[in-house]
Amino acid sequence: SQELEQSPQSLIVQEGKNLTINCTSSKTLYGLYWYKQKYGEGLIFLMMLQKGGEEKSHEKITAKLDEKKQQSSLHITASQPSHAGIYLCGADDNTDKLIFGTGTRLQVFP
Amino acid sequence: DAGVIQSPRHEVTEMGQEVTLRCKPISGHDYLFWYRQTMMRGLELLIYFNNNVPIDDSGMPEDRFSAKMPNASFSTLKIQPSEPRDSAVYFCASSARLAGIQGANTGELFFGEGSRLTVL
Repeated sequence: SQELEQSPQSLIVQEGKNLTINCTSSKTLYGLYWYKQKYGEGLIFLMMLQKGGEEKSHEKITAKLDEKKQQSSLHITASQPSHAGIYLCGADDNTDKLIFGTGTRLQVFP
Repeated sequence: DAGVIQSPRHEVTEMGQEVTLRCKPISGHDYLFWYRQTMMRGLELLIYFNNNVPIDDSGMPEDRFSAKMPNASFSTLKIQPSEPRDSAVYFCASSARLAGIQGANTGELFFGEGSRLTVL
């Protein structure tokens, strides 16, 4: 079955610093989704990648999918306290369902 | 649209009691998912429906768990009897077809705010 591993599990950075979160799949992905969860709330969709080598950006967040479509990274530039939360990658292996990685807990301190 | 609506937001119950969680998906979405989130296991898919029909319930922990979708606008997740290890946040999500299937949408899942269950 599909498995997703995220690293690091947790991250504490100073405001203004850049950071990267990684997501590795045990199988080739048909679609890779990034979500953010604020503490105690539901998940909010960030972006979806589908093609090998694809890269998307939204404000200060950039996500990339490698050519083999088994690894994705999420990069935040000049982090802010509003970026704090749990980041989860989700995999669509063309079976209608979306499974999620273990999550990365991000804290940003002033 | 109001988004995916879940109730109750918080539930505290005693071991052995029946728990029913409710979900109203976004109108027009033909997929509905139930997830469970814990610190230890992360976000786990329990079951999902397509056009009100259960497609994959392999994530349902055991026979104490059951889910129904009697119509396109309502689903329930029931735990009977409940146990302390069932304590978690339960999320409902809905979507149109995922991008993996032929279609033009992004495949985004829309999540509810979750139901936090505590079983004492």
